[in-house]
Amino acid sequence: QSVLTQPPSASGTPGQRVTISCSGSTSNIGKNYVYWYQQLPATAPKVLIYRNNERPSGVPDRFSGSKSGSSASLAISGLRSEDEADYYCATWDDSLSGVIFGGGTKLTVL
Amino acid sequence: QVRLVQSGADVRKPGASVRISCKASGYTFVSYSITWVRQAPGQGLEWMGWVSVNTGETKYAQKLQGRVTMSTDRSTNTAYLELRRLRSDDTALYFCARGHASYDIWAVHYWGQGTLVTVSS
Repeated sequence: QSVLTQPPSASGTPGQRVTISCSGSTSNIGKNYVYWYQQLPATAPKVLIYRNNERPSGVPDRFSGSKSGSSASLAISGLRSEDEADYYCATWDDSLSGVIFGGGTKLTVL
Repeated sequence: QVRLVQSGADVRKPGASVRISCKASGYTFVSYSITWVRQAPGQGLEWMGWVSVNTGETKYAQKLQGRVTMSTDRSTNTAYLELRRLRSDDTALYFCARGHASYDIWAVHYWGQGTLVTVSS
């Protein structure tokens, strides 16, 4: 059971907008930045969003992040087949004094 | 470009130890900590801790305290993860990773290719 709660699955059709949520608490998301990682099958994770809503160089602006209170969200607009992957949120937890990941959300493009 | 190249897959018996290496290139090794993350088969990501290449300071996940040691060799730009008293639930893909100048100290951007460790009798 992860400290950060994500829906185990999400889906959408090409061109749609999909949102993935990440729920935490005041000791983690409530006080620290949130990062979002995309993991394609059999590959290392890749950062999509850092510090809540910043995109690293090379990440399309179809990907956006937001945070409100102790929750965060990743939005993917203009869904494409290559977006089919696992998505993880991550942040620092002050109580655990360590990094925590959400359980991951498997995105299916129908 | 930044590269993190890890050692190959390994199979160990329960109770044994394993040591994984992570050779860095393409940047000044002492400038960034090395973080270790693992992923059990079909499961999510689990943060294991980090080692400061500059100071040698370490920070480990609470659940691994006492079984894990992270270290670096600045002469070869290589980081090491040692996990002792292996159990079957330590079977996982182990990643080394490095941060980015724009990120929080605990966050990572560059990843190694992963090393599969299988614990089986």
